[in-house]
Amino acid sequence: GAGVSQSPRYKVTKRGQDVTLRCDPISSHATLYWYQQALGQGPEFLTYFNYEAQPDKSGLPSDRFSAERPEGSISTLTIQRTEQRDSAMYRCASSLEEYNEQFFGPGTRLTVL
Amino acid sequence: SQQGEEDPQALSIQEGENATMNCSYKTSINNLQWYRQNSGRGLVHLILIRSNEREKHSGRLRVTLDTSKKSSSLLITASRAADTASYFCATAFYGNNRLAFGKGNQVVVIP
Repeated sequence: GAGVSQSPRYKVTKRGQDVTLRCDPISSHATLYWYQQALGQGPEFLTYFNYEAQPDKSGLPSDRFSAERPEGSISTLTIQRTEQRDSAMYRCASSLEEYNEQFFGPGTRLTVL
Repeated sequence: SQQGEEDPQALSIQEGENATMNCSYKTSINNLQWYRQNSGRGLVHLILIRSNEREKHSGRLRVTLDTSKKSSSLLITASRAADTASYFCATAFYGNNRLAFGKGNQVVVIP
């Protein structure tokens, strides 16, 4: 595709609900990343995929967070039993391969009430 | 944590002037990337510089890397009002593919 796309762009949910965010990377890109960005801060790494493999999920804040990329293309990030502190911008990025330029999607703004 | 740190944090300049911002990091890197973010919107990739490179150019942007001092600088020449944004440096360390971002530099270009 032309760029990284994410959906939804905005998500408002009530505390305790589960949410799933979607990322569609640039089609030729092997590597996909998830970051969390608080207002006024730089993005913080959550996890990444090399095709379907998930070599590093050490940035996920708790076991309520999980991510998948079953066919090595589209990825989802799921947050179970959301809490107010999960409110943030969630950004997805992709790169041709590891240690290359990472291109970011527009992000999903999550608000937990 | 192993994050890039930008200096200065905020910069206000007149249109046409040059803007320079610096970034420092703590451990050996594979590469360093600079990004621009306008008003909390998307992150736009500007330049990637690898640890064996010393300088790279892209249009009005010039990035230098000094691995002995563990620092990088981003120079924007002949600034325009449209360059008003936050600029982030992000480092990728060997053996760790994640990008570690700094807090960002606010640059305001006054027309």
